[in-house]
Amino acid sequence: AQSVTQLDSHVSVSEGTPVLLRCNYSSSYSPSLFWYVQHPNKGLQLLLKYTSAATLVKGINGFEAEFKKSETSFHLTKPSAHMSDAAEYFCVVRYSGGSNYKLTFGKGTLLTVNP
Amino acid sequence: DVKVTQSSRYLVKRTGEKVFLECVQDMDHENMFWYRQDPGLGLRLIYFSYDVKMKEKGDIPEGYSVSREKKERFSLILESASTNQTSMYLCASRSGAVNTGELFFGEGSRLTVL
Repeated sequence: AQSVTQLDSHVSVSEGTPVLLRCNYSSSYSPSLFWYVQHPNKGLQLLLKYTSAATLVKGINGFEAEFKKSETSFHLTKPSAHMSDAAEYFCVVRYSGGSNYKLTFGKGTLLTVNP
Repeated sequence: DVKVTQSSRYLVKRTGEKVFLECVQDMDHENMFWYRQDPGLGLRLIYFSYDVKMKEKGDIPEGYSVSREKKERFSLILESASTNQTSMYLCASRSGAVNTGELFFGEGSRLTVL
């Protein structure tokens, strides 16, 4: 079965320091990959997506992610954390050849930003 | 901006009650989804609709049904609520014209079944 793994359920950083949220997916030809963010009591919002174009993808709020096929990874990074980045982050995969609607969600990583 | 509206943000129901969760989107999207979100489990797909009156079961359809009579509205129905259906329910929509299009989410409906 296709899967996506977020390696950390909780990441804590200090304001102004770099953020790294890790995501690995099970190998497949041409996956589409997404990162979504969910602030408390809100729905999910798209941060960025990879759809077989440039491997380094820039998203909103200074986040970016790099698709590494050799490592089957799509880690999310930000150079300098802000208090407003505190939220839950979900890595999502859609596999080519599968159903158009079938998205596989990771279990989420809760990001805490300390002052 | 795409807007997905879930009419009830918080509901408290009793075991055995029938529960309706409503979702409306304003961007003429073909695809609509109902997910359930539980701590540590991420999002799990309950049902999906790719067009009016069309529906498909997701990963956890047991105990749920759906209705899509109009393009903009997708309803989730719990025929007889049980305590293990206490959860956050998220509705989403997406354009069917774009294969890799993003999902647009509502703010969620938190259901408690006593």
